[in-house]
Amino acid sequence: EAAVTQSPRNKVTVTGGNVTLSCRQTNSHNYMYWYRQDTGHGLRLIHYSYGAGNLQIGDVPDGYKATRTTQEDFFLLLELASPSQTSLYFCASSDPGGGAETLYFGSGTRLTVL
Amino acid sequence: QQQVRQSPQSLTVWEGETAILNCSYEDSTFDYFPWYWQFPRESPALLIAIRPVSNKKEDGRFTIFFNKREKKLSLHITDSQPGDSATYFCAASGSGGNYKPTFGKGTSLVVHP
Repeated sequence: EAAVTQSPRNKVTVTGGNVTLSCRQTNSHNYMYWYRQDTGHGLRLIHYSYGAGNLQIGDVPDGYKATRTTQEDFFLLLELASPSQTSLYFCASSDPGGGAETLYFGSGTRLTVL
Repeated sequence: QQQVRQSPQSLTVWEGETAILNCSYEDSTFDYFPWYWQFPRESPALLIAIRPVSNKKEDGRFTIFFNKREKKLSLHITDSQPGDSATYFCAASGSGGNYKPTFGKGTSLVVHP
């Protein structure tokens, strides 16, 4: 079973704060993703990566940075958090080149920006 | 522009009925169409998926019907059970440089006993 671990599970910060969300996968997957989930919007892709050092822009990237330090680790950075970034964030991994196109999701991080 | 659209936004059926969830897409280069389901307070998980080489995919009570010409697909859940109550997401992705999984906004299904 694929394993994607996110931390922290919950995070509260203030407007203008600096937040880092972490994700680690032990599936040996090449691709990793950051999505945000909001009521009425479904899952929206923020950033994704197909390997260490690579970063691809998703559909809602404004206000977010990301960094893929190793094949296993993908971080999402909010350097000046705003209330509009209050959301449930999911990390996922997959390996489309290896025929494993299924996304495996972590448990999510609920972020509240006051 | 929304690449993947789902309807209805919410659906209520009685136990034993067939639930039909609809999905349409814009990009003709999409070649993989998974459906994910998500239960309250859980993460999305793969339910069933189809590729355009097929127009139908079955897995137990769950069936995807795919119409490539109209860029539409639907998920049929026969003999619906209360345990099927969840949010269902239609997704799509291409291959090669177009591999960027895109999700619809979801359909919330409630099955009443």
